[in-house]
Amino acid sequence: DQQVKQNSPSLSVQEGRISILNCDYTNSMFDYFLWYKKYPAEGPTFLISISSIKDKNEDGRFTVFLNKSAKHLSLHIVPSQPGDSAVYFCAARGTRYQKVTFGTGTKLQVIP
Amino acid sequence: KAGVTQTPRYLIKTRGQQVTLSCSPISGHRSVSWYQQTPGQGLQFLFEYFSETQRNKGNFPGRFSGRQFSNSRSEMNVSTLELGDSALYLCASSLDTGDYGYTFGSGTRLTVV
Repeated sequence: DQQVKQNSPSLSVQEGRISILNCDYTNSMFDYFLWYKKYPAEGPTFLISISSIKDKNEDGRFTVFLNKSAKHLSLHIVPSQPGDSAVYFCAARGTRYQKVTFGTGTKLQVIP
Repeated sequence: KAGVTQTPRYLIKTRGQQVTLSCSPISGHRSVSWYQQTPGQGLQFLFEYFSETQRNKGNFPGRFSGRQFSNSRSEMNVSTLELGDSALYLCASSLDTGDYGYTFGSGTRLTVV
């Protein structure tokens, strides 16, 4: 039962353009969402998060949008850089002490 | 500030054997979570420990177990290894919950032959 879904296994974007990574979830009890980035041979690193009381959160080139009614969130990277090439995982959590559930990941390739 | 340390980095075991993986969290972090990563399955949650108590558990068979010591270091054990247990095992630590974002180690790559 995959409660957090990333339906695009891969995405290719030209350098300087916008990268949009999508994530859908099924559990309406999720109220905190996170994005992680993973390079080969390294563990995932925390990128950005958003609480369910917000619909947008920005951090530099990274913006996460949350649409609770659609149970959908997206990560926008503007402008995309070759160093952004990595696997991006969407994750979600219910109440404070519950486990964090991850999606299957989207491999982003930024082409110079 | 040292990061999350996982040992060993690579491991090859034979089917039927058992294995123990170790994780040292960031100093001061009391929560340690374990995940299994396999191609196409993303990160599957194994369990979380906080102050030596298992706080959450994923949907893995009883062959997978873990524990946490008083210094917050954690170990996970897999008994009677199966070929399907081949995966990258990731440990993540946080101060308490995932509010501040986990810090992951580089993982232990387990290959079962």
